[in-house]
Amino acid sequence: DAGVTQSPTHLIKTRGQQVTLRCSPKSGHDTVSWYQQALGQGPQFIFQYYEEEERQRGNFPDRFSGHQFPNYSSELNVNALLLGDSALYLCASSSTGVGKNIQYFGAGTRLSVL
Amino acid sequence: GDSVTQMEGPVTLSEEAFLTINCTYTATGYPSLFWYVQYPGEGLQLLLKATKADDKGSNKGFEATYRKETTSFHLEKGSVQVSDSAVYFCAQHGSSNTGKLIFGQGTTLQVKP
Repeated sequence: DAGVTQSPTHLIKTRGQQVTLRCSPKSGHDTVSWYQQALGQGPQFIFQYYEEEERQRGNFPDRFSGHQFPNYSSELNVNALLLGDSALYLCASSSTGVGKNIQYFGAGTRLSVL
Repeated sequence: GDSVTQMEGPVTLSEEAFLTINCTYTATGYPSLFWYVQYPGEGLQLLLKATKADDKGSNKGFEATYRKETTSFHLEKGSVQVSDSAVYFCAQHGSSNTGKLIFGQGTTLQVKP
């Protein structure tokens, strides 16, 4: 049973560019959440997707957007990249069924903005 | 607002020492509480959880008890190993329990042989 998978593992971009990160949830999970983890900090919630809609959003600007597909996989898009967007981006999946409170994390995508 | 505060690290212990990492939370209700562990270069792994007051979560020798009176969820292990070296995050679901996780800043544990 594959866990949460994210791609790519590493990414280098320059300021002003746009980036797309991808996430495949754990089998049987229908909800995907995205987090940003700056170096030496705890993860910060970006948003959560369920039934292809953004269900909840954290304190992030509109440059951060997402999408969820019918197969429950998800993308995180960041436009007009800033140096401060450099971080580890984590995807977590969960289920609305039994044990819905448990989120399982992928290994993350490390984004470097130069 | 809802938040989580962890003791600052790094924590350095000798193998077989007793571990405590303090965690306190603020919330208007009674959120589910979690400990996650992050090994170098990896994502977060759920270590243990508790969903209501006085619940004790346990896994791999680690334990934490949900204390409503002190709004705490301290992580303990009786005898640490070198392989326990990692960053530990305390987290809560927040008062609305909608799935958004609120994390502490993390505590780095280094265990020396």
